[in-house]
Amino acid sequence: KAGVTQTPRYLIKTRGQQVTLSCSPISGHRSVSWYQQTPGQGLQFLFEYFSETQRNKGNFPGRFSGRQFSNSRSEMNVSTLELGDSALYLCASSLLGRPNEKLFFGSGTQLSVL
Amino acid sequence: QKEVEQDPGPLSVPEGAIVSLNCTYSNSAFQYFMWYRQYSRKGPELLMYTYSSGNKEDGRFTAQVDKSSKYISLFIRDSQPSDSATYLCAMSARNTDKLIFGTGTRLQVFP
Repeated sequence: KAGVTQTPRYLIKTRGQQVTLSCSPISGHRSVSWYQQTPGQGLQFLFEYFSETQRNKGNFPGRFSGRQFSNSRSEMNVSTLELGDSALYLCASSLLGRPNEKLFFGSGTQLSVL
Repeated sequence: QKEVEQDPGPLSVPEGAIVSLNCTYSNSAFQYFMWYRQYSRKGPELLMYTYSSGNKEDGRFTAQVDKSSKYISLFIRDSQPSDSATYLCAMSARNTDKLIFGTGTRLQVFP
């Protein structure tokens, strides 16, 4: 069974630009969550999608958005990039998205904003 | 104050040592406790899962939950260089939609 795939692995952008990250969950998983990971803050929850609907959202500004397609693949978009957006962005999938379920993480997209 | 506190380390130990990794939490409603291991340039992977109080053992790893003290631990016996990674605790309460992660403890096991 293929794992969670995130593309691209690395991205370098400049302030003010926008970026789109992609996540393909494990086959059969309907829930996709996105996290931002930085050395100081750890894993911060961005949002969770289930069956194409955003079910939960973390405490991030509206510049961070996402969507999920009918095949459960998900994309995350960050507009008007700021230096502080430099981080590892992780996607995780699970069957139903319950908080006590095992999460399967991708290897992440390392975003650097210059 | 964060809901889950975890010492970031780094924790550096010699091969063969017993390692103790810990998290404290403030929400007494937490019932599900997990430990994830994250290797460099990889995503976290679930290592141990415990429901409510007590111990759980899996090979060299033991997860312990003390709900009265709001304290969870992960013990690694006979630590190996391959155990060098960041260990994140995570926890959630029943009937909620939130999984809360600790910031992670970086462990280095040297030969």
